[in-house]
Amino acid sequence: TAGITQAPTSQILAAGRSMTLRCTQDMRHNAMYWYRQDLGLGLRLIHYSNTAGTTGKGEVPDGYSVSRANTDDFPLTLASAVPSQTSVYFCASTLIRRLNTEAFFGQGTRLTVV
Amino acid sequence: DQQVKQNSPSLSVQEGRISILNCDYTNSMFDYFLWYKKYPAEGPTFLISISSIKDKNEDGRFTVFLNKSAKHLSLHIVPSQPGDSAVYFCAAICLHNQAGTALIFGKGTTLSVSS
Repeated sequence: TAGITQAPTSQILAAGRSMTLRCTQDMRHNAMYWYRQDLGLGLRLIHYSNTAGTTGKGEVPDGYSVSRANTDDFPLTLASAVPSQTSVYFCASTLIRRLNTEAFFGQGTRLTVV
Repeated sequence: DQQVKQNSPSLSVQEGRISILNCDYTNSMFDYFLWYKKYPAEGPTFLISISSIKDKNEDGRFTVFLNKSAKHLSLHIVPSQPGDSAVYFCAAICLHNQAGTALIFGKGTTLSVSS
């Protein structure tokens, strides 16, 4: 089973350029998340979506946008990349139930903005 | 303002001893808590969880304790093994308000287990 897949695995991007990080899950999970991991700052939530058609802002949403046109895909777009967006990006999905949940993570995308 | 706090960036333990990783939260709406383990160059993987209706959950060498009044949880690993060396993240979510909920993580604690 594929689970949750991120692409690309790594990218070097010139400042000012745009880029979309892709995330796809085949588990029919209702919720999906984008996090960035930076040294000493842990996993910070960028955007999330609890169901197809809805999105919400996390802790660090500026400079990023997301869409959730269907259940499986949750792309993250950087409209005009800046060096401070150099980070490792993780996508996660979860089936939120009333009594429990468990999030599954992709392998990450290492983005370097130069 | 951080809603989930892991105040110890690192912890060193000898093999065979107990590792105790701590986590505090500020949002009283959180009703479900999870621990994740992360190795370098990999995505985080789920370890163990606990609902706010419980105060303890055990799975093999891993036990999570929840103190709701103190808004504090801890992960105990007994006995610790060198393969447990990783970054451990605490996470929390409000399940009873699914419309506005999101899974929030702490900054992580790096555990080093020496043989």
